[in-house]
Amino acid sequence: SAVISQKPSRDICQRGTSLTIQCQVDSQVTMMFWYRQQPGQSLTLIATANQGSEATYESGFVIDKFPISRPNLTFSTLTVSNMSPEDSSIYLCSAEGGRGTAFFGQGTRLTVV
Amino acid sequence: GENVEQHPSTLSVQEGDSAVIKCTYSDSASNYFPWYKQELGKRPQLIIDIRSNVGEKKDQRIAVTLNKTAKHFSLHITETQPEDSAVYFCAAKAGGTSYGKLTFGQGTILTVHP
Repeated sequence: SAVISQKPSRDICQRGTSLTIQCQVDSQVTMMFWYRQQPGQSLTLIATANQGSEATYESGFVIDKFPISRPNLTFSTLTVSNMSPEDSSIYLCSAEGGRGTAFFGQGTRLTVV
Repeated sequence: GENVEQHPSTLSVQEGDSAVIKCTYSDSASNYFPWYKQELGKRPQLIIDIRSNVGEKKDQRIAVTLNKTAKHFSLHITETQPEDSAVYFCAAKAGGTSYGKLTFGQGTILTVHP
C-alpha cells in the first residue's frame, strides 16, 4: 500500500489569506485526489490531479479557489485561496495504490478565523 | 454521476453482537466497492473491498456482500469489540471516464458498548 505524508496537519489562518497543503507519496502514482471533509460529514471530492495535465474539478469547486499542482508522480499541492470561515474543514489527499485501492494522507485540519 | 446512499447513520450495539451497514449505488458501471473505517481525528483506513465480479468477501470478523442486480452492498462485522467503534464509510468507483474517482456514502457512526 502507498504511504502518503500530508502537511501541515493543522493550521489556523486569517480570513483573506491562502494556505498550501502538500502531499508526498512514497511511490509513483498516476492519479491523486483532494477531498474536503466537514465536521461530522462524509468526504467530498474537490478535484482529481494527474501529472502533466490540469486538475479536473468537481461541481461546486473552481480552480481560482482551489488551485492544484502536480509537478511529478509523487507530489501534489492544494491551495485554499482567499479563505473565509466557511473553508474551515479537514482536507485530505488520496492516491491509488496497487489494485486500484485508495489511500489517504493524515489530513489537514484548517480553521479560518 | 454516481450517488451512494448509506444506512443507518448511527448504529449502537453491545459487544459481541453483529453490526450491518448497507449502501446502495446508482451507477451500474461502478465496479469497485471499498469500505473505510475512520477513527476520530484519523485518516480513513481501508478495511475491506469487493469488486463487481465477486458476490462476497470475508476477512476474519469482517465481510462484505454485493448484489449487482439490486445495486447494493453491505458490511457485516461479527463479534463486535469496543475498538470497532468508529465512523464507517462505503464508497463506489466506476470505470470508464470516471476511472479512479470514488463516491462516498454519508457514513455510519458505530458505537460498541462494552
